[in-house]
Amino acid sequence: KNQVEQSPQSLIILEGKNCTLQCNYTVSPFSNLRWYKQDTGRGPVSLTIMTFSENTKSNGRYTATLDADTKQSSLHITASQLSDSASYICVAGNFGNEKLTFGTGTRLTIIP
Amino acid sequence: EAQVTQNPRYLITVTGKKLTVTCSQNMNHEYMSWYRQDPGLGLRQIYYSMNVEVTDKGDVPEGYKVSRKEKRNFPLILESPSPNQTSLYFCASRPLQGSQPQHFGDGTRLSIL
Repeated sequence: KNQVEQSPQSLIILEGKNCTLQCNYTVSPFSNLRWYKQDTGRGPVSLTIMTFSENTKSNGRYTATLDADTKQSSLHITASQLSDSASYICVAGNFGNEKLTFGTGTRLTIIP
Repeated sequence: EAQVTQNPRYLITVTGKKLTVTCSQNMNHEYMSWYRQDPGLGLRQIYYSMNVEVTDKGDVPEGYKVSRKEKRNFPLILESPSPNQTSLYFCASRPLQGSQPQHFGDGTRLSIL
């Protein structure tokens, strides 16, 4: 069964600090790994997409890494801002049919 | 502006009263999909469509219907809603080819009493 697990479930950090969110996936055959940001009351917004052959991808202060051998990904946020408060969702895509399996998300809160 | 538009954003209704949630995208995307999001669970796919007149079941299709008569529209129909369909619903679209990001609407919160 395809699964995506994220940790931690929730995280609180001070503004300006860095943080790293984790994602483990069991999806076969694996095609791509996505990270989405979901603000409260809004739909998810794509941050990064990495294919199985990519190791890292950045989008501003967001940097995602992928280790397809260990089936792990991480999302690193640098110099956090209050606007980074949101849920971050890890999503793994299947090769071929592009079916997506969603994690339950990490709820990140940035405090001043 | 590229967007996916859902209506209504909020709806409270009663068991058994048919309802339709509309979804429209202006990006000429072939692929459209409906998800539901429940506390403690990841987004789960209800139905998807890879082009006009082509629809298929996702992971949780029971109790739902869809149609794709035009490329831009993908309505979600609940013929006889029940309380277990109370949820937050998202419509999404993307190009068919390649690993492209999905664009999501802002969601429809349905409460079935």
